[in-house]
Amino acid sequence: EEQLVESGGGLVQPGGSLRLSCAASGFTVTTNYMNWVRQAPGKGLEWVSVIQSGGSTYYADSVKGRFTISRDNSKNTLYLQMNSLRAEDTAVYYCARAMSTGVLPYNYWGQGTLVTVSS
Amino acid sequence: DIQMTQSPSSLSASVGDRVTITCRTSQDISNYLNWYQQRPGKAPDLLIFGTSFLQSGVPSRFTGSASGTDFTLTIRNLQPEDFATYYCQQTYISPPTFGQGTKLEIK
Repeated sequence: EEQLVESGGGLVQPGGSLRLSCAASGFTVTTNYMNWVRQAPGKGLEWVSVIQSGGSTYYADSVKGRFTISRDNSKNTLYLQMNSLRAEDTAVYYCARAMSTGVLPYNYWGQGTLVTVSS
Repeated sequence: DIQMTQSPSSLSASVGDRVTITCRTSQDISNYLNWYQQRPGKAPDLLIFGTSFLQSGVPSRFTGSASGTDFTLTIRNLQPEDFATYYCQQTYISPPTFGQGTKLEIK
């Protein structure tokens, strides 16, 4: 059974850093497009980043230059390194796997991990 | 970026009702439109992809359709578990973008 489990969230001061992890089971992260999506408290969904099966990475303008997506094949885990954090980065962060074909919808999601940026 | 205009932002209905949620895109996205359901405190779940394809395990009372750049999610015979927030998403052009959500509440 496919599963995604995020970890690494917490309280961090503005300007600080945090690394989120997303451990996958039941499938291999390297053969899928893996995404991070976030949701600020009481708000809608915002796509953050993707790492494609070939290794190409893309970012939302709001996080470009501050966040880095990566994966560890041996641990079958997806990461999001977040630097220079701002109050507006406060959100629940979800990792999500895109379906392998067609329009690439996100058919598996983790439970989310909360990141709070505050002094 | 492609703008997604989802309406209504909230909706009240009763068990057994039929409801429609609309998502209008700012440009042509072919059929690259997906719908998600999110219950409070939970991750989103994929309902429909590619405009009209039902995700495995999703009840057939959920249907999706399109007319040009207007996409529609219809839920027939509302059940208690359907009261949630619904989001549309386009995956045609990067960055993928979501609608602002429709909260479906019990009347």
